[in-house]
Amino acid sequence: DAGVTQSPTHLIKTRGQQVTLRCSPKSGHDTVSWYQQALGQGPQFIFQYYEEEERQRGNFPDRFSGHQFPNYSSELNVNALLLGDSALYLCASGPGTGPSGANVLTFGAGSRLTVL
Amino acid sequence: RKEVEQDPGPFNVPEGATVAFNCTYSNSASQSFFWYRQDCRKEPKLLMSVYSSGNEDGRFTAQLNRASQYISLLIRDSKLSDSATYLCVVNALTGGGNKLTFGTGTQLKVEL
Repeated sequence: DAGVTQSPTHLIKTRGQQVTLRCSPKSGHDTVSWYQQALGQGPQFIFQYYEEEERQRGNFPDRFSGHQFPNYSSELNVNALLLGDSALYLCASGPGTGPSGANVLTFGAGSRLTVL
Repeated sequence: RKEVEQDPGPFNVPEGATVAFNCTYSNSASQSFFWYRQDCRKEPKLLMSVYSSGNEDGRFTAQLNRASQYISLLIRDSKLSDSATYLCVVNALTGGGNKLTFGTGTQLKVEL
């Protein structure tokens, strides 16, 4: 049973470019959340998708957008990249949006973005 | 003030030692609490949930004090393989669903 898969694993972009990161949730999970983890910091919540809608959003600018597809997979898009966007982007999936879902969140290995 | 605060460490301890990590959180509406472990350049993995009654999993004991908004993790008989960053995590269930807030992590190095 595959866990959460993310692609690409590593990528390098330059300032001003746009990037799309992809996530396939664990089988049986229908909620996807995205986190940004800068070096030396804990993961920071970007947003959560459920039923193809953004349900919650953290303190990130509109340059960060996302999408969830009918098969529950998700994309994270970042426009007008800044040097400060360099980070590990983590996707986490879970079952539904109830409190029990937090107990079984599964993280992917992440996409490491470097902005030059 | 950060929503979840931890001492970043590093904690350098000899093998076999007992080590304790502490964490405080600011959102009194937080509903569930966790310790995650993160190895270098890897994804975070759930170590254990934390309950007010305290819970134990082998060498690991977690405790929650809701009144003081304080969470702890105790590791007994440390192993070299325990070397990692330990993340204190708080979940605030809002109308939209679960939102995990992570601390910056506490780095543990277990040495021979």
